[in-house]
Amino acid sequence: GAGVSQSPSNKVTEKGKDVELRCDPISGHTALYWYRQSLGQGLEFLIYFQGNSAPDKSGLPSDRFSAERTGGSVSTLTIQRTQQEDSAVYLCASSQGPQGEQFFGPGTRLTVL
Amino acid sequence: GDSVTQMEGPVTLSEEAFLTINCTYTATGYPSLFWYVQYPGEGLQLLLKATKADDKGSNKGFEATYRKETTSFHLEKGSVQVSDSAVYFCALRHTGANSKLTFGKGITLSVRP
Repeated sequence: GAGVSQSPSNKVTEKGKDVELRCDPISGHTALYWYRQSLGQGLEFLIYFQGNSAPDKSGLPSDRFSAERTGGSVSTLTIQRTQQEDSAVYLCASSQGPQGEQFFGPGTRLTVL
Repeated sequence: GDSVTQMEGPVTLSEEAFLTINCTYTATGYPSLFWYVQYPGEGLQLLLKATKADDKGSNKGFEATYRKETTSFHLEKGSVQVSDSAVYFCALRHTGANSKLTFGKGITLSVRP
């Protein structure tokens, strides 16, 4: 079966532009997570969606970051007015419930020039 | 807050050498512990896990034991192969409302023939 997919795989943008990153979780998985992998900070949690509950946004680094999950499936992470420090690999994961194994997508590599 | 500390890398070993990668954690309560692996050009995947004290997780010849008294979850393998070359991440997860993973910084293992 299909795993977690993410698009685009690579994104190069100019400082100040907005970007949207997409995540398609495994079908039927109710929990969805966004993480960021950067050289200086390692792997950091950003945001968590579980079913129809309000998302846990406690990991978002600034109000320039937002995410939504439509219909309990696809999720979009939006970064407004990108900065060079936003350059990182953004990983999406999904699981069958909050205590299920998290399956990771291949990531989107974002480079802000 | 929760944190995971991994030994500094990178680590280079010869094939068939014994591997130990240290991991210690700081957390309240009784988290579940994980080792994730990222092979070159691939996504992050679960290697093994343990959910309570004294549990031993094992997979692909790797083992790690949940030691509550030393708050550790060291990864070991008796005889590494070239194909084990990858980045290894130790992580913890709580059973609370937010089941996010908290990761260590990761360590790169290179195994030479």
